[in-house]
Amino acid sequence: GDSVTQMEGPVTLSEEAFLTINCTYTATGYPSLFWYVQYPGEGLQLLLKATKADDKGSNKGFEATYRKETTSFHLEKGSVQVSDSAVYFCALSERTGRRALTFGSGTRLQVQP
Amino acid sequence: GAVVSQHPSWVICKSGTSVKIECRSLDFQATTMFWYRQFPKQSLMLMATSNEGSKATYEQGVEKDKFLINHASLTLSTLTVTSAHPEDSSFYICSASESLSYNEQFFGPGTRLTVL
Repeated sequence: GDSVTQMEGPVTLSEEAFLTINCTYTATGYPSLFWYVQYPGEGLQLLLKATKADDKGSNKGFEATYRKETTSFHLEKGSVQVSDSAVYFCALSERTGRRALTFGSGTRLQVQP
Repeated sequence: GAVVSQHPSWVICKSGTSVKIECRSLDFQATTMFWYRQFPKQSLMLMATSNEGSKATYEQGVEKDKFLINHASLTLSTLTVTSAHPEDSSFYICSASESLSYNEQFFGPGTRLTVL
């Protein structure tokens, strides 16, 4: 079955540091890929997505590129802020069938001032 | 746009009672709604998928008689936890998708259930 593996946290960075959160996947089909963010006490919000190989999703300074050859979708940000502190989930969804999301385990990011 | 609400946001109940959680799409019609469960510091696990007007499809290991799902309209799905026990305490999250051809899901804020 489908699965998503992302790096374990917590990841602790100083403000303005560079962020990378690794995500790799296995899928039977050709999935769409997502990054969701969960701020403390809130529900999940879609951060960015990519639906085909070599697509780059971007939002709020975050980027991730759909790499089919390495089955990866790593999240990056050039300069993190304290307000980016949250839990980040990598996820995939098959294009057909029930289209439910398969989530990674989540990576907690803590940004210190 | 694409707002999903859940009610209640938290609930505490006694063991053996039943609890109903509502999930509503406020500004779009949800052809499909999903129910997830999230344990503390863990990822979301899909419980079931429901399409409006049809029976829900449950994931392996999820008891359909315990977690009753009803998707009576294009804007409302309910999850009823029957005869709740302390091990059912968790964070329940719904999501909704508005199109059969586009698979973006919009998530509700979640409902924290505590069973005493």
